[in-house]
Amino acid sequence: KAGVTQTPRYLIKTRGQQVTLSCSPISGHRSVSWYQQTPGQGLQFLFEYFSETQRNKGNFPGRFSGRQFSNSRSEMNVSTLELGDSALYLCASSLVGAGGEPQHFGDGTRLSIL
Amino acid sequence: GQQVMQIPQYQHVQEGEDFTTYCNSSTTLSNIQWYKQRPGGHPVFLIQLVKSGEVKKQKRLTFQFGEAKKNSSLHITATQTTDVGTYFCAGPGGGSQGNLIFGKGTKLSVKP
Repeated sequence: KAGVTQTPRYLIKTRGQQVTLSCSPISGHRSVSWYQQTPGQGLQFLFEYFSETQRNKGNFPGRFSGRQFSNSRSEMNVSTLELGDSALYLCASSLVGAGGEPQHFGDGTRLSIL
Repeated sequence: GQQVMQIPQYQHVQEGEDFTTYCNSSTTLSNIQWYKQRPGGHPVFLIQLVKSGEVKKQKRLTFQFGEAKKNSSLHITATQTTDVGTYFCAGPGGGSQGNLIFGKGTKLSVKP
């Protein structure tokens, strides 16, 4: 069974630009969560999608948004990039939701802002 | 808001020594999960504890969930170089399903 796939693996952008990251969950998984990982803040929850609906949201500004498609694939968008957005963005999937289920993480997208 | 704290932040051990990381939540948890992230890798699920006072073992790894379901620990006996990585605990966020609150992790290095 294929794991969680994230594309691209690496991305370099400049301040003010926007970026879209993609995540394909494990087949059959309907819940997709996004996390930002930085050395200082650790793993921080961005949002979770289930059946194309955002079900939970973390404490991030509105520049961070996402969506989920009918095939459970998810995209995350960050607009007006700032230097502090440099991080590893991880996507995780589970069957129905994170609270009670193990999360299966992708390899992440490493975003660098110049 | 809900917080999950983990100590120590770093641990350096000689191969063969034991290692323990501790996790404390500001609120009672319905369950706690542990993950391992190897250098350059992504978090990988290790185990989930659900019951108060639960103890689970995976070879040299022993996981405990506190009686009050607010704390947990991971103990590794006789560390090996393959144990190197960052160990995270995580608990469900408040409210409905769908998010995990992670501790900041304990980074383990093992000197051969």
